[in-house]
Amino acid sequence: AQSVTQLDSQVPVFEEAPVELRCNYSSSVSVYLFWYVQYPNQGLQLLLKYLSGSTLVKGINGFEAEFNKSQTSFHLRKPSVHISDTAEYFCAFSGNTPLVFGKGTRLSVIA
Amino acid sequence: GAGVSQSPRYKVAKRGQDVALRCDPISGHVSLFWYQQALGQGPEFLTYFQNEAQLDKSGLPSDRFFAERPEGSVSTLKIQRTQQEDSAVYLCASSLVADPSSYEQYFGPGTRLTVT
Repeated sequence: AQSVTQLDSQVPVFEEAPVELRCNYSSSVSVYLFWYVQYPNQGLQLLLKYLSGSTLVKGINGFEAEFNKSQTSFHLRKPSVHISDTAEYFCAFSGNTPLVFGKGTRLSVIA
Repeated sequence: GAGVSQSPRYKVAKRGQDVALRCDPISGHVSLFWYQQALGQGPEFLTYFQNEAQLDKSGLPSDRFFAERPEGSVSTLKIQRTQQEDSAVYLCASSLVADPSSYEQYFGPGTRLTVT
């Protein structure tokens, strides 16, 4: 079965510290990978996506992610977080289906 | 340059009532998707339209759920005889291209449905 696992449901981190949000996927076909962010009472906004090419993908707001095919991972990273990064982050993939989402990771940035 | 809009933003329904949720996609977007997001969960796919054609409805949880997009623009998700387990946020997304798997989807703010 195709699925996405976000290993951490909550990640607290101090302002200006680095952060990594982990994502692993399971699929029998080649996939496209996405990270979305959801601020309170708002819809999902695309942070970045991997379709093909370079495995290191840069997105908005200083985030980046690296596709690792052998480990079936697509971890999201930011070298220095801000208070405004507090939100829910969703990893998702699509293979031969519409988007399959993980359960989300709540990033809380502490001043 | 409006994004995807959804109405109502909040809906409270008594168990057994019918509800209709509306989605206005970005103008010119070919594909339209509906997702259900339960509390503390990620969005789960319900159904997908390419223009007015409903190409995939495999995610609809029961025959009480029905979606339409008659003119290939606005879409309505209808839930008949609502049950408490239908309480969730219903998200609509649209995409410029026809391929449902590879391109960016733009999400609306969602409709929070509470069934009492």
